[in-house]
Amino acid sequence: DAGITQSPRHKVTETGTPVTLRCHQTENHRYMYWYRQDPGHGLRLIHYSYGVKDTDKGEVSDGYSVSRSKTEDFLLTLESATSSQTSVYFCAISELTQTYEQYFGPGTRLTVT
Amino acid sequence: AQSVSQHNHHVILSEAASLELGCNYSYGGTVNLFWYVQYPGQHLQLLLKYFSGDPLVKGIKGFEAEFIKSKFSFNLRKPSVQWSDTAEYFCAVNAMAGGGNKLTFGTGTQLKVEL
Repeated sequence: DAGITQSPRHKVTETGTPVTLRCHQTENHRYMYWYRQDPGHGLRLIHYSYGVKDTDKGEVSDGYSVSRSKTEDFLLTLESATSSQTSVYFCAISELTQTYEQYFGPGTRLTVT
Repeated sequence: AQSVSQHNHHVILSEAASLELGCNYSYGGTVNLFWYVQYPGQHLQLLLKYFSGDPLVKGIKGFEAEFIKSKFSFNLRKPSVQWSDTAEYFCAVNAMAGGGNKLTFGTGTQLKVEL
């Protein structure tokens, strides 16, 4: 398995509180991604990074921000959590290869009450 | 923008039955195609991928998929499923032009294999 860890693995928080999820990789891959997984929607891209300090929005970026100050770390922040952000969040990494496959972390289950 | 359709949302099979899960994508250019599997409570793992060459690709655990460009399809198959194949399966596509390293996923197919 690719060296990807996510923290925390589970979190319960209240509406309106800020939350930061961390993704850490040991593979030195250039690209990192944050997805959310919801029943009936599959995986949807929130934000991604193509290098240190280089990030861009995905299809469901509203209410989320990201930062990448080091190659190995990609942070996802919910500035003011809402119940609609209750989900399982997956981090993924990939490298500049011919085939573009992504490798996924173990996920973070976030519940916003 | 590309999109991916998985028409079978839930599939129930008996052990030893054959499996075919459909995947269609909408993009007219060159694509890379993937199937990922997610076992209960686990993260996504790559089953197989297509990027060029032989349109019939073989992956882990006896799975294979066939890329049919004229049909924009990349269906997943297994001749004889096992109880341990119970999982959710996701098809994904990377559009080579403008997609960069981004994947678009289908909504997934939940497979349950009964003993």
